[in-house]
Amino acid sequence: DAGVTQSPTHLIKTRGQQVTLRCSPKSGHDTVSWYQQALGQGPQFIFQYYEEEERQRGNFPDRFSGHQFPNYSSELNVNALLLGDSALYLCASSFGLATYNEQFFGPGTRLTVL
Amino acid sequence: SQQGEEDPQALSIQEGENATMNCSYKTSINNLQWYRQNSGRGLVHLILIRSNEREKHSGRLRVTLDTSKKSSSLLITASRAADTASYFCARLRSNFGNEKLTFGTGTRLTIIP
Repeated sequence: DAGVTQSPTHLIKTRGQQVTLRCSPKSGHDTVSWYQQALGQGPQFIFQYYEEEERQRGNFPDRFSGHQFPNYSSELNVNALLLGDSALYLCASSFGLATYNEQFFGPGTRLTVL
Repeated sequence: SQQGEEDPQALSIQEGENATMNCSYKTSINNLQWYRQNSGRGLVHLILIRSNEREKHSGRLRVTLDTSKKSSSLLITASRAADTASYFCARLRSNFGNEKLTFGTGTRLTIIP
């Protein structure tokens, strides 16, 4: 039983570019949440997808957008990259919308913006 | 902003000793969860304690929750080198319809062999 998978593992972009990160949830899970973790900080909630819709959103600008596909996998898109977007991006999956259900995290995508 | 704060920020102990980490928060919670993260990779869920619980155990882990003081502690007994990691508390707020995990800043635990 595969856990949460994310791709790519590492990514280097330059300022102003756009990036797409991908996440496949754990088998049986239908909810995907994305987090940004800056170096030395705790993860910060970006948004959550359920039934192909964004259900909750954290304090992130519209440059951050996402999508969930019918197979429950998800993408995180970041436009007009800034140096401050350099971080580890974590995807977490769970069953159902309520976040009191245990979330399983993927290994993350390390994004470096130069 | 991060509403959960762990204390201390860093902790180094000898293998076999017990490690205690604390977490404080500001608003009411539905539950509080502890996670472990190795070397900046994915988080591993350790334990969840609900607001109506005061203590939970899981193997060598013991978590307490004091809602009157808005604080929680994670105790790891008989520490091992493999326990070296960062530990985060994450709280789930009580507001219906705004249920999202809010993480603290973490405690970096180093176990010295």
